[in-house]
Order: sequence, then structure tokens, then C-alpha cells
Amino acid sequence: SAVISQKPSRDICQRGTSLTIQCQVDSQVTMMFWYRQQPGQSLTLIATANQGSEATYESGFVIDKFPISRPNLTFSTLTVSNMSPEDSSIYLCSVEGAGVGYEQYFGPGTRLTVT
Amino acid sequence: GQNIDQPTEMTATEGAIVQINCTYQTSGFNGLFWYQQHAGEAPTFLSYNVLDGLEEKGRFSSFLSRSKGYSYLLLKELQMKDSASYLCAVYEDTGFQKLVFGTGTRLLVSP
Repeated sequence: SAVISQKPSRDICQRGTSLTIQCQVDSQVTMMFWYRQQPGQSLTLIATANQGSEATYESGFVIDKFPISRPNLTFSTLTVSNMSPEDSSIYLCSVEGAGVGYEQYFGPGTRLTVT
Repeated sequence: GQNIDQPTEMTATEGAIVQINCTYQTSGFNGLFWYQQHAGEAPTFLSYNVLDGLEEKGRFSSFLSRSKGYSYLLLKELQMKDSASYLCAVYEDTGFQKLVFGTGTRLLVSP
């Protein structure tokens, strides 16, 4: 399994500002994923980030609001831009395992509160 | 599109058996996962089914019927530490692979 770290673990931000969340993996991985988990809810996929190509966004999420970088095979960032209180959520990154089951391993998450 | 449904909440007592159901309608089905998520923590992988039948792993078992779009997670000999959310997730491959999560089931185990 992969070991994944995220920074920051939590933050409180003012509306209108932006926050960049970092995700670091201890091994090289092709695909990295960014999810949002709103309070009491399940996980919603924001986008898939492959190294060397543009991120692929799910319906309801756009690059201007959630720009993603994937500069190498162990690192990715997600920026939450022009934040509003509705963006208050936990943001998680994940990577696919190397086994045949394609199981995903998740980082500890970043708890964002927008005031 | 996808539609993955689970009961919102379940309660059970310590030592008992509980079955958490998951129904799904999706295209490009390529497997079903169960994850456990304790409050304030990241989801952790429990099981994976891609063929019909039962997969057993200690106290936890997972079943899949692809023709019925149905899976369940069976937890035996429940312990207090099993109180958590259980997430059913379908692995879709429609030319683009992704994991789609169900609504999640909060399980409360009482003494």
C-alpha cells in the first residue's frame, strides 16, 4: 500500500481567498485522484490527475475553480479558488494501488472551513 | 450515469452480525469495493469483488451479484470499534477509469 500525506491538515480561510492543498505519495503512481467530502456525506470525485496531461474533471467541477497540478509521479496539488462557505469540506487525495483490484489508498484529508 | 444506494444508518449490538446492502446501476462495471471510514479519518480499503460470489476476510465478508446490481458487506462478531461509516464504491471503466462512491452507511455498535 502507498503512504500518502497531505498539507495542510486543516485550515480556516476567508471567503474570496484561495488555498492550495498538497498531496505527496511515497512511491511513483500514474493516477492521482482528488475527492471532496462534505459534512456527513460520502466522497465525490473532483478530478483525476495523470502526470504529464491535463486533469480530467467530473461534472460540476471546473478547472478555474479547482486548478490541479501534477508535476511528477509522486506529487499533486489542488487549489480551491475564490472560496465561499459552500467550499467548506474535507478534501482528500488518493492513489491507485498496484494490485489487480485497483483499490485506492487515501490521504488523511484536509479539513477546510471558509468563513 | 451512476446510482449507488446504501441505507443511511444502521444500529447493532456488540457480538451480533450485520449486513449492509448496496445496490448500483452503472455502466462499464469493473468491480466493487467496500471501504471503512471512522469519523475524522480517511477511508480504508476493506474488500473488492469483481466476480459473483462471496469473498471472506476474517470477520468481514463481501458478496456481489452483477446481474442484480447488488452487493452486501457482512460484519460478524461486531465490536465497538466497528462503529464507522461503510462506503460502497463501484469501479467504472467507460474508457476512463474512476471510482464512484455510494451514499455511505453509518453503523453504530452499542454494548
